[in-house]
Amino acid sequence: DAKTTQPTSMDCAEGRAANLPCNHSTISGNEYVYWYRQIHSQGPQYIIHGLKNNETNEMASLIITEDRKSSTLILPHATLRDTAVYYCIVRVPIGFGNEKLTFGTGTRLTIIP
Amino acid sequence: NAGVTQTPKFRILKIGQSMTLQCTQDMNHNYMYWYRQDPGMGLKLIYYSVGAGITDKGEVPNGYNVSRSTTEDFPLRLELAAPSQTSVYFCASGAGKGGNSPLHFGNGTRLTVT
Repeated sequence: DAKTTQPTSMDCAEGRAANLPCNHSTISGNEYVYWYRQIHSQGPQYIIHGLKNNETNEMASLIITEDRKSSTLILPHATLRDTAVYYCIVRVPIGFGNEKLTFGTGTRLTIIP
Repeated sequence: NAGVTQTPKFRILKIGQSMTLQCTQDMNHNYMYWYRQDPGMGLKLIYYSVGAGITDKGEVPNGYNVSRSTTEDFPLRLELAAPSQTSVYFCASGAGKGGNSPLHFGNGTRLTVT
């Protein structure tokens, strides 16, 4: 399995951009990088995903390095509601041509008022 | 469009009892998954299904069973509950195979076995 490494915790001031790093140095060429977050033990919430190009949606931006060994999730204007555990995940193959999400322990992001 | 719905939200079982955790989705997704999350840990895959009538084991299948008779429903069965099965259980669904298809999660069932 391609594994990911994230900092255990981070703080960010409200209104600032939150930059969450992730290392995935063993990623294969056809494996996507996904970001989810989990608030108060609710179900994981999908944020964004990408293969090799940078991606942006209404929630966040994803910057993937050219060698694909690392990525950064950017929340452009963090609010208190962005306080959550953020998971960086590489989808890996399982049976029937399917993929699974392998969750690590994530980064606990705290937004400071 | 409710997405992925799990019931019950909470349950307490005695050791040796059985129960079924319900999961239904209204997005017509073929792919469905059951994960468990222990305190302070990430999610681990229990079972998954790629369509009605097809299921397979994930990383931690022991003590659980699943069935998939319809596209919408993917129930998880615990036959003989054990304290080690105390956890939060999440069901997820996805539109298709391939990495370019996000999974959508329910809000979980919190199970305590005493």
